[in-house]
Amino acid sequence: EAGVVQSPRYKIIEKKQPVAFWCNPISGHNTLYWYLQNLGQGPELLIRYENEEAVDDSQLPKDRFSAERLKGVDSTLKIQPAELGDSAVYLCASSLPHGVGYTFGSGTRLTVV
Amino acid sequence: AQSVTQLGSHVSVSEGALVLLRCNYSSSVPPYLFWYVQYPNQGLQLLLKYTTGATLVKGINGFEAEFKKSETSFHLTKPSAHMSDAAEYFCAVSESNFGNEKLTFGTGTRLTIIP
Repeated sequence: EAGVVQSPRYKIIEKKQPVAFWCNPISGHNTLYWYLQNLGQGPELLIRYENEEAVDDSQLPKDRFSAERLKGVDSTLKIQPAELGDSAVYLCASSLPHGVGYTFGSGTRLTVV
Repeated sequence: AQSVTQLGSHVSVSEGALVLLRCNYSSSVPPYLFWYVQYPNQGLQLLLKYTTGATLVKGINGFEAEFKKSETSFHLTKPSAHMSDAAEYFCAVSESNFGNEKLTFGTGTRLTIIP
C-alpha cells in the first residue's frame, strides 16, 4: 500500500512569489490534514478535511493561504504571496474515519529567500 | 485546551543504555496519547498510541510508554538504545473521543546515541 505522497519534496522560491504543495492520501482515508512544522518545533494543524469539506481551518492564515480538496481525494495547499516567515516543512497526513492516529507524508520543505 | 510538554529538548544516551523521554499533557477530557518519531528529512512515523484499556502500551522498534493519569504523563522508554534510534521524538495528545481530531504536539526531543 502506498503511503501519503507529497510533492515537491523541496521548494525554493523568492518572497512574494506563489507556491503550491500537493498531497495524495492513502486510498480510503477520508480525513486529510495539513500541518506546518517550523524548525525545532512540533507540527501545528493548518486545516482538516473530511472528504471534500474543510471542517477545521481555524489556524489557516486565510489572507495568504488557501487549500482545496476536490473530489475528496488529492489536496493542494497554496501560499500567495510567500513571505520569509513561511519557510518551514509542510506536512500532509491522512486517516480513516474514526480511526486513531494519522499517517504522515514525507513533507515539503519550503525555503523562501 | 490541550497541551503537551516534553522535558528535555536534547537527550543523549550511550548505546545499550536505557532510553527515557518524558512527556506530560494537559487535557480536559480523557486523552488519546501518541508518540511519533521523525528521522532527518522525513515525515512523522507513529511509534505507539494509547486510547483506552491497558496503560502500558508497546510500540514498534522495542519502544513502550505508560499512561499515568494521576501524573498526567506518558513517558517513552526503551530498555537498550540502538544507534538507529537517533531521531526526533514527538509526543502528541488528542481530546476527541472519535480520534480523528486535532493532534497537539510537543516541541520534540532530539535523541542522540553515543557509541
